[in-house]
Amino acid sequence: KAGVTQTPRYLIKTRGQQVTLSCSPISGHRSVSWYQQTPGQGLQFLFEYFSETQRNKGNFPGRFSGRQFSNSRSEMNVSTLELGDSALYLCASSLSGGKIRNTEAFFGQGTRLTVV
Amino acid sequence: AQKITQTQPGMFVQEKEAVTLDCTYDTSDQSYGLFWYKQPSSGEMIFLIYQGSYDEQNATEGRYSLNFQKARKSANLVISASQLGDSAMYFCAMRERRSNDYKLSFGAGTTVTVRA
Repeated sequence: KAGVTQTPRYLIKTRGQQVTLSCSPISGHRSVSWYQQTPGQGLQFLFEYFSETQRNKGNFPGRFSGRQFSNSRSEMNVSTLELGDSALYLCASSLSGGKIRNTEAFFGQGTRLTVV
Repeated sequence: AQKITQTQPGMFVQEKEAVTLDCTYDTSDQSYGLFWYKQPSSGEMIFLIYQGSYDEQNATEGRYSLNFQKARKSANLVISASQLGDSAMYFCAMRERRSNDYKLSFGAGTTVTVRA
């Protein structure tokens, strides 16, 4: 069973540019969440999608957006990049609904974004 | 308020010895799940073990066990017979039923270094 796949693994962008990151969840998982990880702030929740709908959003500016496709694949977009957006962006997929145990999140290897 | 607290930024452990990683949590929800993840230098978050708030027994998964003390709101991870490959960052996380948003709240993490 294939795991969560994130592409690309590494990105270098300049300030002001925009970037799109992609995440393919585990087959059968309909929930995809995104997290930002930085040395200073740790792991912070960005948003979660289920069946192409954003169910929850973390406390991030509107420059951060995402979407989910009918095959559950998800993309996140960051516009007008700032130096502080440099981070490891992790995607996690989960089964959804029912017991909390079933919402265990499986993570991809992340996309390391560097903004220069 | 911090939902997950990990007070040990870093720990050293001798190979083949056991190590305990502390985790305390804060929630008023009766139904919640606690997760431990391992993050090696490659960046991927690897699920280790899960403990449900209603589980009467402490969870175990191979060399990993969770010392769950509900009244004290602690969920410490015990790694037995440490191996060099256990060197990584370890995160405690919680998902609350009440919020029903499938968001994981993470602690700051503990870096474990296993010495030969």
